[in-house]
Amino acid sequence: AQSVAQPEDQVNVAEGNPLTVKCTYSVSGNPYLFWYVQYPNRGLQFLLKYITGDNLVKGSYGFEAEFNKSQTSFHLKKPSALVSDSALYFCAVRTSGNTPLVFGKGTRLSVIA
Amino acid sequence: GAVVSQHPSRVICKSGTSVKIECRSLDFQATTMFWYRQFPKQSLMLMATSNEGSKATYEQGVEKDKFLINHASLTLSTLTVTSAHPEDSSFYICSASGGAGHEQFFGPGTRLTVL
Repeated sequence: AQSVAQPEDQVNVAEGNPLTVKCTYSVSGNPYLFWYVQYPNRGLQFLLKYITGDNLVKGSYGFEAEFNKSQTSFHLKKPSALVSDSALYFCAVRTSGNTPLVFGKGTRLSVIA
Repeated sequence: GAVVSQHPSRVICKSGTSVKIECRSLDFQATTMFWYRQFPKQSLMLMATSNEGSKATYEQGVEKDKFLINHASLTLSTLTVTSAHPEDSSFYICSASGGAGHEQFFGPGTRLTVL
C-alpha cells in the first residue's frame, strides 16, 4: 500500500529565509511524487512533480523539491520565503497507470513578515 | 494546465435532502475522475474512482448508496449525496485524468453544509 508522511503539522519561517517542508513516502514500485498547495476554501494548486529524470525538480512560484530514493523523501524547498506562500501544503504519491493520488496529512506553512 | 470545474462551489441544504455536485473537465477528455473528501484541517481522503461508462469503484467505508457517482461522459462526473446529514458536511474535491500516465487536475472544490 502507498503512504505519505508529512511529519510537521506546522512550519514557521521568517520572510526572506529559506523554507523546507518535509515529505517521505512508501510505495511499491517507482513513485510518482507531487506537491500541491491549498489556500483557504480553495481547491488544490499543482506546484511540481517528479516522475523520472533529474532528482531536483523545479516548479511553480520558485518552489523546488529533491527526490531522494535512498531516504524515500521528496522535501519541498524555496530559497526565500514570501508572506504570500503561507498556505497548506500537501505531498502526494501514486504509482504508474491511472491510480489515484495518496495524500499526506498536510503541513501548514506560515511565513512571518 | 488543464481546467477542471466544480459546481456549485458552496451549497447549504437541510438534513434529509439530496445534493448533486458536478465535476467537469473543460478542455480535455477525462477517462477517469476521482472524488475526494476533506474534513477541516485534515487531508484529502479518496472516496471513489470513476471511469467513463462504468460503475464507480468505492473505497472501503464509503457507502455507494449514499454517495452516488455517475460518469456518463468524458467531460462530466456527478456526485450525489443522498439523504444528507450534518456529518456529511465537508469539502468535496474532484480530480480528472486523461488516462494512464496522464496527470490529475483538481477542481476548486465544493463546500457542503448540511443543517
